[in-house]
Amino acid sequence: DAGVIQSPRHEVTEMGQEVTLRCKLISGHNSLFWYRQTMMRGLELLIYFNNNVPIDDSGMPEDRFSAKMPNASFSTLKIQPSEPRDSAVYFCASSHSGTDLSGANVLTFGAGSRLTVL
Amino acid sequence: AQTVTQSQPEMSVQEAETVTLSCTYDTSESDYYLFWYKQPPSRQMILVIRQEAYKQQNATENRFSVNFQKAAKSFSLKISDSQLGDAAMYFCAYRSYNTDKLIFGTGTRLQVFP
Repeated sequence: DAGVIQSPRHEVTEMGQEVTLRCKLISGHNSLFWYRQTMMRGLELLIYFNNNVPIDDSGMPEDRFSAKMPNASFSTLKIQPSEPRDSAVYFCASSHSGTDLSGANVLTFGAGSRLTVL
Repeated sequence: AQTVTQSQPEMSVQEAETVTLSCTYDTSESDYYLFWYKQPPSRQMILVIRQEAYKQQNATENRFSVNFQKAAKSFSLKISDSQLGDAAMYFCAYRSYNTDKLIFGTGTRLQVFP
């Protein structure tokens, strides 16, 4: 299993440009999470999906951020227009959501996408 | 809302010694999960250990063990026989029973000295 795959690993862009981050889930997983990590705020949950449906997007900073799951194995996080304060590492994570207490719903993280907005 | 607190921004330990990282959390729920994740310089988040709140027995994974005190809402991580490869940021995380999302603490940076 290749794990959760994120691209790009690094992106440097200028303020005002559109940024698209991509994530491929682990095969068989049905929950998808986008987290943002900064020194100041630590790890923040931006949004998560279950079976392609957004369940909680309360962490999305503002309308400049949007996330989609066009199919069960792929997600994008888009920032348009980007601002310097969006500079962070963005993590995607996936899990197989269950209803028992077996603990099967362990999140597996991708390697992250480091975004720098100049 | 649930919160997770890690009061030690940095810790250090000598190789082969034991170190304990602290974590407390706040919740009104009775069923939940607790996790410790490791983030080495490669920044990959790696699951170290997990604990189900309904289990009284403390979880262990080789050199890693937890001290889960449900009444005190405390979940510390003990690393025995520390190795240089244990140097990393360690994050404590909480998950409610009825949701998949993790709430993270601010992390503890662990340094291991030879």
